Amino acid sequence: DTGVSQDPRHKITKRGQNVTFRCDPISEHNRLYWYRQTLGQGPEFLTYFQNEAQLEKSRLLSDRFSAERPKGSFSTLEIQRTEQGDSAMYLCASSFPPTSVFVIAETQYFGPGTRLLVL
Amino acid sequence: AQSVAQPEDQVNVAEGNPLTVKCTYSVSGNPYLFWYVQYPNRGLQFLLKYITGDNLVKGSYGFEAEFNKSQTSFHLKKPSALVSDSALYFCAVRDVESGNTPLVFGKGTRLSVIA
Repeated sequence: DTGVSQDPRHKITKRGQNVTFRCDPISEHNRLYWYRQTLGQGPEFLTYFQNEAQLEKSRLLSDRFSAERPKGSFSTLEIQRTEQGDSAMYLCASSFPPTSVFVIAETQYFGPGTRLLVL
Repeated sequence: AQSVAQPEDQVNVAEGNPLTVKCTYSVSGNPYLFWYVQYPNRGLQFLLKYITGDNLVKGSYGFEAEFNKSQTSFHLKKPSALVSDSALYFCAVRDVESGNTPLVFGKGTRLSVIA
C-alpha cells in the first residue's frame, strides 16, 4: 500500500500525559498537512510542511501542540499535557503540487487518522 | 474569509435513484472546490475537484459535481445510488486569490442509501 499511513490508529491516554502521533506521507510528496476532526465536524487545518519547513503553524490550537518533519519525510504531531477537549481524530494528508503557480489546486491525500481519547 | 455550507446533515435515498448532496461556498475571489468521502474508521478519500473550465466535473465511482458560480454552489450528484455509497461526504474550498490559504471543509453530509 503506497498511501498515507498514520500510527497509532487509536490512542487512549490520561489527562496531563503527552502523546505523539506519526504520519508517513506518500513517497515523494513534498507537502504534509495535519488536521483535527471532532465529532460532527469537518477536518480543521492545524499546520503544514513543505519538505522540512513548517510554513504555517498559527492555526495550531495552543502552545501544547507542536509538529515536526525533520528530514522532509515522516512527520510527528505532539500534544503535551493533554486535556479532555483534545479528544478527536487527527488526520494527516500529503500532496505534490503540480507547479508553484497552481499549488492551491493540489489534491491532498489523507491517511486513516489517529483517534485520540483523553480520559 | 472562505467558508463552506452543507445544509443537510443527512440525505436518504433509495438504491437506484439519483442522489444529490448539496454544497454552497463563500470566497472573496474565485474558488477551487473539492469533494471527499469518508467511510467509517477511514480517512478522507478524494472524489473530484473543480479548478477551471467545464462546470461539470466527473470524478471517482460515478460521481460528478456541477459548479454554479451565480449560485455559489457545487452540488455532488450521481445518477444511480448504490448501497455502498453510504458514507460521510465533505465539500471543501480554497480561495484562489487569497494566497496559500488552508483547505476549508464543510461539516459533512451523511448519505444513507437504502436497498
